[in-house]
Amino acid sequence: AQSVTQPDIHITVSEGASLELRCNYSYGATPYLFWYVQSPGQGLQLLLKYFSGDTLVQGIKGFEAEFKRSQSSFNLRKPSVHWSDAAEYFCAVGADGWGKLQFGAGTQVVVTP
Amino acid sequence: GAGVSQTPSNKVTEKGKYVELRCDPISGHTALYWYRQSLGQGPEFLIYFQGTGAADDSGLPNDRFFAVRPEGSVSTLKIQRTERGDSAVYLCASSQSTGNTEAFFGQGTRLTVV
Repeated sequence: AQSVTQPDIHITVSEGASLELRCNYSYGATPYLFWYVQSPGQGLQLLLKYFSGDTLVQGIKGFEAEFKRSQSSFNLRKPSVHWSDAAEYFCAVGADGWGKLQFGAGTQVVVTP
Repeated sequence: GAGVSQTPSNKVTEKGKYVELRCDPISGHTALYWYRQSLGQGPEFLIYFQGTGAADDSGLPNDRFFAVRPEGSVSTLKIQRTERGDSAVYLCASSQSTGNTEAFFGQGTRLTVV
């Protein structure tokens, strides 16, 4: 059975500092991998996705993620966070694109001045 | 509207009552998905439709939950004999098709069973 683990429930980062959110997955084949962001009162917004090809993927809002098959990881990074990046971030895995995603429990990011 | 619309945005109901949650997908999107997000958790898949038919309903927790999409557009999630454990945010998403096309999420319906 596939699973997604986000080890960090909560991360506090200073504005301007770098951010890395961890995601580990368990899946029998190469999965489709996603990162979503959810701000208070907002719907889920797709940051980036990995289906195949280049293992370093660029997303919106200055985010990137790297697929590492050997580590079963898909960590999200941003070099310099902005106060507006405070939100909850979800990693997700799918078997065939967007049909039936499995989400991690999320990481809450707090940005301090 | 341009996005996925879910109504109502909030619903409070008494234990044992029946509720319906509505999802209006983006026009032209043939695939529609329902997820449930409990407090402090990530979204959990419930069901998805391709056109009018349920392509995968394996996430529905029990037979109190049912969803329809009779004309291949609007979908209704129906919950019978609601229980307090059904309290959650119910999310709907749609995409042009399944597979390699982005799914766009609505803002959800917050269901509270008292």
